[in-house]
Amino acid sequence: DTAVSQTPKYLVTQMGNDKSIKCEQNLGHDTMYWYKQDSKKFLKIMFSYNNKELIINETVPNRFSPKSPDKAHLNLHINSLELGDSAVYFCASSQDTGSEQYFGPGTRLTVT
Amino acid sequence: LAKTTQPISMDSYEGQEVNITCSHNNIATNDYITWYQQFPSQGPRFIIQGYKTKVTNEVASLFIPADRKSSTLSLPRVSLSDTAVYYCLVGEDNAGNMLTFGGGTRLMVKP
Repeated sequence: DTAVSQTPKYLVTQMGNDKSIKCEQNLGHDTMYWYKQDSKKFLKIMFSYNNKELIINETVPNRFSPKSPDKAHLNLHINSLELGDSAVYFCASSQDTGSEQYFGPGTRLTVT
Repeated sequence: LAKTTQPISMDSYEGQEVNITCSHNNIATNDYITWYQQFPSQGPRFIIQGYKTKVTNEVASLFIPADRKSSTLSLPRVSLSDTAVYYCLVGEDNAGNMLTFGGGTRLMVKP
């Protein structure tokens, strides 16, 4: 069974569109994350979320918003997509903040 | 945020021991140090985590000096399949602070 899954695996879209990436974890973890990995392979955290608190990296544009319908899901919504949003986005989860994180396979977003 | 610095790349040969050092000069008292491995087109995978001194598991060892301002990931007798990017992550054990990955070290293991 896949521990952390993401859909879609690839997403190609045009500038200005709104898109969502879904993430699900079946590990019973309390904390989930979204990361962005750019073409230079830098891995930057965007959000950290548990059932109590959403922590936002202040450098993330407000066009990005995480939405958690329940503890097992943390979806990423992106409005008004820009060329610079092209990257691989990873979802991850952990039992609590600071514990071992389990990463999803990534979603490669290409904005044209 | 505890910022980390790692060498951009390292080369090694099969069978050698590889040591990758990460600097984290402003590590906080409650911060743990975690290392991840990432292969192309995959998400990072946990390797090892420690707080101080030395931690060893079946794949690696982690050495942390008393001042905790750096840490060294040691991979014994690497193989070609260890070719990957290795990330050092420093973060607090409690909810509240953002976790920061370093830029990663690209390890190339040659035959």
